[in-house]
Amino acid sequence: EVQLVQSGAEVKKPGESLKISCKTSGYYFTDYWIAWVRQMPGKGLEWMGIIYPGDSHPRYSPSFQGQVTFSVDKSISTAYLHLNSLKASDTATYYCARLRVAVPTIGTGYFDSWGQGTLVIVSS
Amino acid sequence: DIQMTQSPSTLSASLGDRVTITCRASQSVGYWLTWYQQKPGIAPKLLIYKASTLESGVPSRFSGSGSGTEFTLTISSLQPDDFATYYCQHYNGYPLTFGGGTKVEIK
Repeated sequence: EVQLVQSGAEVKKPGESLKISCKTSGYYFTDYWIAWVRQMPGKGLEWMGIIYPGDSHPRYSPSFQGQVTFSVDKSISTAYLHLNSLKASDTATYYCARLRVAVPTIGTGYFDSWGQGTLVIVSS
Repeated sequence: DIQMTQSPSTLSASLGDRVTITCRASQSVGYWLTWYQQKPGIAPKLLIYKASTLESGVPSRFSGSGSGTEFTLTISSLQPDDFATYYCQHYNGYPLTFGGGTKVEIK
């Protein structure tokens, strides 16, 4: 069974940094891209970007470029989302999701398995 | 970037109703469109991909249609488990973008 299990909720102060983990199991970690998706309170889904565990190559959404960093640790089949210099507007639930590549020619696809989400609250 | 617009944003319906949600793309995405269902506090769940292909395990009352710039998600007979928010997402290139969501409420 494919599983993505994220780290727990966090409460941070403005200016602090945070790393969210997404531990995967049930499939070959290096065979699928991992995406990160933000959902602000009461709002819709926003694609932040993806990373390919095979070579740690990331692709960031223009809306999040420079604001976030993705990384992976292949040895433990885990992806990470790094958030720096947190602001109150970073308060959101962050999801990791496995990308099923459906258009090989352009390397895009959709999300067939999701983590449970990590709630991040940034407040002074 | 391709913008995805869903309508309506909220829909009130009764059990057994036929429900249709529309998703429009700002430019053609071919058949590269997906639908998700999300319930409060829970991660989204994949329902349909390639505009009309039902994901394994998804009830057959869900169906998708469309191509190019206009797509629909239909629930043929609304069940209690279907009250949720539904999102479309294109994958015709990066950045991937979602629609704003349609909340299906109890009438």
